[in-house]
Amino acid sequence: QVQLVESGGGLVKPGGSLRLSCAASGFTFSDYYMSWIRQAPGKGLEWVSYISSSGSTIYYADSVKGRFTISRDNAKNSLYLQMNSLRAEDTAVYYCARVGRGLLDVWGKGTTVTVSS
Amino acid sequence: QPVLTQPPSASASLGASVTLTCTLSSGYSNYKVDWYQQRPGKGPRFVMRVGTGGIVGSKGDGIPDRFSVLGSGLNRYLTIKNIQEEDESDYHCGADHGSGSNFVWVFGGGTKLTVL
Repeated sequence: QVQLVESGGGLVKPGGSLRLSCAASGFTFSDYYMSWIRQAPGKGLEWVSYISSSGSTIYYADSVKGRFTISRDNAKNSLYLQMNSLRAEDTAVYYCARVGRGLLDVWGKGTTVTVSS
Repeated sequence: QPVLTQPPSASASLGASVTLTCTLSSGYSNYKVDWYQQRPGKGPRFVMRVGTGGIVGSKGDGIPDRFSVLGSGLNRYLTIKNIQEEDESDYHCGADHGSGSNFVWVFGGGTKLTVL
């Protein structure tokens, strides 16, 4: 069945880096745009980044621009988020989601990132 | 870009109906909004998209007929009839906004639905 599984979260110190991965299965990954969304503890959803099916078009939220880099490997059916210069306010559960019919139609279960000294 | 506003909480008794509201900021009355359900400890799940004419496209996988939507002016509504225990969730609304070379996806703060 259609599935997205995130990994790579963990505890990191302020200023540190982390790379998240999202493994896709059950659909033709290279046909779909993909996105990262996060949710800070007790808060609502916040969109982080978005990448086209070929990787040629990328957008970022202002809050992460210049620090985070989204990428994908269609041969490996995988989506990535490289996070640098991490701050306490980046602490959140990070979800990857498939963009189908212009909406976020499939979500993973998320991976937790904690930025703390 | 639009701002989406949701009341933080709502409650309803088992078997009753409830309507959740998502309000777009002024000037965005033609925008479609997507509803997402997030059960405790789980990732969000797409429910359905709504515009001023009602549902746009089809419901998400496994969403029961008890769920319906309406749109009017700046408001986008999600109604749940015959509420069940499994409907107790956070409900988020979201919308995408493209402007020139920029793009954002915005979400409301979410409404926590408690089933009494």
